[in-house]
Amino acid sequence: AQSVAQPEDQVNVAEGNPLTVKCTYSVSGNPYLFWYVQYPNRGLQFLLKYITGDNLVKGSYGFEAEFNKSQTSFHLKKPSALVSDSALYFCAVRLYSGGGADGLTFGKGTHLIIQP
Amino acid sequence: GAGVSQTPSNKVTEKGKYVELRCDPISGHTALYWYRQSLGQGPEFLIYFQGTGAADDSGLPNDRFFAVRPEGSVSTLKIQRTERGDSAVYLCASSLGMGGRMETQYFGPGTRLLVL
Repeated sequence: AQSVAQPEDQVNVAEGNPLTVKCTYSVSGNPYLFWYVQYPNRGLQFLLKYITGDNLVKGSYGFEAEFNKSQTSFHLKKPSALVSDSALYFCAVRLYSGGGADGLTFGKGTHLIIQP
Repeated sequence: GAGVSQTPSNKVTEKGKYVELRCDPISGHTALYWYRQSLGQGPEFLIYFQGTGAADDSGLPNDRFFAVRPEGSVSTLKIQRTERGDSAVYLCASSLGMGGRMETQYFGPGTRLLVL
């Protein structure tokens, strides 16, 4: 079985400050890891993914995420937050191969609120 | 180009009725996924199509749920004898279908189903 935990329901950051949205995962194998963002009344938009190689992944809108295998984490980061970054963020995992469903397994989501 | 489209955007029905939800994937994408997102939760995988066949339907909650993709493009999710607990946003996603589990899934805006 595979699972994703996003330990914070909400993260508040002042505009211009760095932000971190946390994600940890549990899989019995090698993972592919994804971050998506959801704006109100809209579908999920892809931000970035980790497949293999460099542990630091850069994605859309200045976001990046660091894969840490020993801590089974994939935290989303941005050096300087914008008010427009305020949204709901989802971390997701998919097994590299073998058992498990073919779909993504998502966390519950973290509301990111950037205060002007 | 056009993204994933879903119709209707909203559907209100009565308990016990039958509903159909439609998904039109990105042109050329052979892989198609259905997810269900309940309030305050992350999306949950329902079913995955590769071409016309359901490659993985392990996420369908019971036999009231069924999905088809007869020509390998548009897909319809069908729910029989709807129950109030079926109320959720139903999301569709597609991917190229060539790259295995590392592929990025692109999501539609969803259909919000309310069962009264």
